[in-house]
Amino acid sequence: NAGVTQTPKFQVLKTGQSMTLQCAQDMNHNSMYWYRQDPGMGLRLIYYSASEGTTDKGEVPNGYNVSRLNKREFSLRLESAAPSQTSVYFCASSEEAPQETQYFGPGTRLLVL
Amino acid sequence: LAKTTQPISMDSYEGQEVNITCSHNNIATNDYITWYQQFPSQGPRFIIQGYKTKVTNEVASLFIPADRKSSTLSLPRVSLSDTAVYYCLVVDSSNTGKLIFGQGTTLQVKP
Repeated sequence: NAGVTQTPKFQVLKTGQSMTLQCAQDMNHNSMYWYRQDPGMGLRLIYYSASEGTTDKGEVPNGYNVSRLNKREFSLRLESAAPSQTSVYFCASSEEAPQETQYFGPGTRLLVL
Repeated sequence: LAKTTQPISMDSYEGQEVNITCSHNNIATNDYITWYQQFPSQGPRFIIQGYKTKVTNEVASLFIPADRKSSTLSLPRVSLSDTAVYYCLVVDSSNTGKLIFGQGTTLQVKP
């Protein structure tokens, strides 16, 4: 039982490049989330998916797209990376509502040059 | 939009009780207040959750006054391994119901 896994662990991009961050959970959770964490800013919700087939914007969705591929997987895509998207990205999941205990992955460190 | 405020940092010594307060306005009336712990290079980990008054589990207590405009995480007899960043999480009271994490409190426990 791996919990929440994220790939890659670390990535360097040039401005304008695109990439997809992958997230998978094996706890049969319905809800999944993508956060970014910047120094002094805490965690900010980018997008979340309350259930398979649904996605909703969080606090900072601009510049990102998401796909809930199936119940297990929730990917985050940067179509044209910008230096302002340099951050640590965390994926999380919860059984149902977001107020329930969220289980976080280990994070992806992204550097955009 | 709901706003949360936590102290940026706190220092303590082993064996002491530590109380970290999070102020939050405009939070959803019927939703929980949740606290998470984060170690360097790891994702946050759930500590405790409550709706009102007091909740206690094996690692912490959570105090929530009746007006729910703040909450206090209490860590009894901290040890060096409690050195971490602590976040409160609330739900915005607007129709969007967005999740709002506090900016985090860095707790440094000294021997």
